[in-house]
Parts: sequence; C-alpha cells; structure tokens
Amino acid sequence: TQTVSQSDAHVTVFEGDSVELRCNYSYGGSIYLSWYIQHHGRGLQFLLKYYSGNPVVQGVNGFEAEFSKSDSSFHLRKASVHWSDSAVYFCAVRANSGTYQRFGTGTKLQVVP
Amino acid sequence: GPKVLQIPSHQIIDMGQMVTLNCDPVSNHLYFYWYKQILGQQMEFLVNFYNGKVMEKSKLFKDQFSVERPDGSYFTLKIQPTALEDSAVYFCASSLSGWGAETLYFGSGTRLTVL
Repeated sequence: TQTVSQSDAHVTVFEGDSVELRCNYSYGGSIYLSWYIQHHGRGLQFLLKYYSGNPVVQGVNGFEAEFSKSDSSFHLRKASVHWSDSAVYFCAVRANSGTYQRFGTGTKLQVVP
Repeated sequence: GPKVLQIPSHQIIDMGQMVTLNCDPVSNHLYFYWYKQILGQQMEFLVNFYNGKVMEKSKLFKDQFSVERPDGSYFTLKIQPTALEDSAVYFCASSLSGWGAETLYFGSGTRLTVL
C-alpha cells in the first residue's frame, strides 16, 4: 500500500523560530517527493522537490527539506519563520511507475507575531 | 509565474443538476489533473488527462464524472448528476511533461456546493 503521512495536523510557532514539518511515506521502488504550500483560499504552490542526488534540497523563501531513505521521510524545515509563512503545507509523493502525485493530509502552520 | 485559471470560483447548484467546472491550464502544458479538496485540507486525486485521453482515475472519479479538453479550449470536469457528497473544492493542475518530478501548477479552485 502506498501512503504518505503528515503526522502533525497543526503546528504553532513564534515568528523567528525554526520549524520542521514532518512527512513520512510508504512506497516501494523509486519515488519523487515534493512540498507545496497553500495559503488560505488559494491553490497549491510548489516549494521544492527531491528526485536524486544531494538529499538536502533548497526551495523558495528559505525552505529546505531532507530526504532520508532509511527513515522514509522528507521533512521540511525553515530556520526562521515569518508571519507570512502561515499556511497549509502539503507533502506529495509520486512513484516512478505512477502517473500522479499523492498528497498527505497537510499541516497547518500558524506563525504568531 | 505560470498561471492556471479556474472558472467559476464558486458554484451553487441543486442536487441532481449538471455542473461543469472549467480550467484554463498553462498554455504549453500537456498534462492535466483534477484534485478534490475535502474539509479544507485533504487533497484527493481524481483524474489525469493527456493527449485527449484519461490516463488514470481514482475511485472518487465516479461514473457521473467526465473530463474533456476540446482543442484549444478549457479542460473541463463535468458532473452529471450531482450528489450532496460532491460538495468540495475542486482544483485543476497542469504540468509540462509527465515526468515523475515535474512540478504541478494549480489553479485557485472552484468551490462547489450541492444543495
């Protein structure tokens, strides 16, 4: 069974804090991993992706994520969050043999000024 | 950046009626997708489409659903007839290629309310 899980439905941090949003997956074979952000009332916007090479990938607005094959994880991190980072974050996985990205349940990040 | 436009942004209809959701994908993109967002969070894949054909569809893509993209026009999702459980936000997405790591570009969604 192919699954992607985001264990935290809500995360609240203060502006300037660091944050890590967790994503774990259960897939066989080669996969492609992405993170997307959804601001309230908007569509999803691409943040970053991993498909090979350096397991730490950099994205827009200071976000980075680290792929771990041993942990089956692709956690998203930011060293210092801004109030405008408040949004819902989705992890997505696509199997090499698949035709679409499967999304996790999302993590709502609230940044308190 | 590239834009995907969805029309309308909101649609309210009575159960049993037909509804068509319209998507204007990024102009040079070749792969198209519909996702259904439930309760403001869970994004569920419905269907994808390439070269005039459905590539894959999920269990949520019921017999009442259909998609098409006549040449040079919108990529549409039609539901006929609608049911109460079809109430959700529907997102269209497009990508340039079918490569596994290809980035999806999403529209802002159509909020469908079935009464």
